[in-house]
Amino acid sequence: QVQLQQWGAGLLRPSETLSLTCAVYGGSFSGSSWSWIRQSPGKGLEWIGEINHSGSTDYNPSLKSRVTISVDTSRKQFSLQLSSVTAADTAVYYCVRGRGIAAATNTYYGLDVWGQGTTVTVSS
Amino acid sequence: DIQMTQSPSSLSASVGDRVTITCRASQSISSYLNWYQQKTGTAPKLLIFAASTLQSGVPSRFSGSGSGTDFTLTISSLQPEDFASYYCQQSYITPWTFGQGTKVEIK
Repeated sequence: QVQLQQWGAGLLRPSETLSLTCAVYGGSFSGSSWSWIRQSPGKGLEWIGEINHSGSTDYNPSLKSRVTISVDTSRKQFSLQLSSVTAADTAVYYCVRGRGIAAATNTYYGLDVWGQGTTVTVSS
Repeated sequence: DIQMTQSPSSLSASVGDRVTITCRASQSISSYLNWYQQKTGTAPKLLIFAASTLQSGVPSRFSGSGSGTDFTLTISSLQPEDFASYYCQQSYITPWTFGQGTKVEIK
């Protein structure tokens, strides 16, 4: 049973860098992708980006210039950095496992394990 | 980006009611559509993937249908634990995008 445990600073000032880390317990780190997703009342659920065990990344173009997702396979952890935050970055941030799931003749991708969420507030 | 539009944004229903939520994609996504349930204060939970396949452990009163651009989530007989928000998400192409959500409330 895979579980994700995340942590990081919850209160930031504008222009600072958001930093969150997520640890993977109870399952394989390879064979899946590892995403960060945020949720705010104004923008709903927003996919930030993902990384796989080899370090290949894919970012949401809307945030790409400010986002870095990294991985430490030895510790089974992955991290999010979001630079130059503003109030618009205030949200609950989730780390999430993305997994290919076979159905019929195709493989489909689902976000099947979520961390507990971290509330990040940006305020001066 | 693919835009996902859900309707309604909220609904009121009673225990035992049949509930239907609709999700429309801005372009064809074949069957690359997932549904999630989110209860207040918790993370979303994957209910259905590939438009109609129930995730392990999800009760059979939940069902999904559709392909292309139009999809439906149905709860055949609403139970007290089903009062929550529901989101669709396309897994056809990144950036993965979500619908704005449907909140199912007690009538």
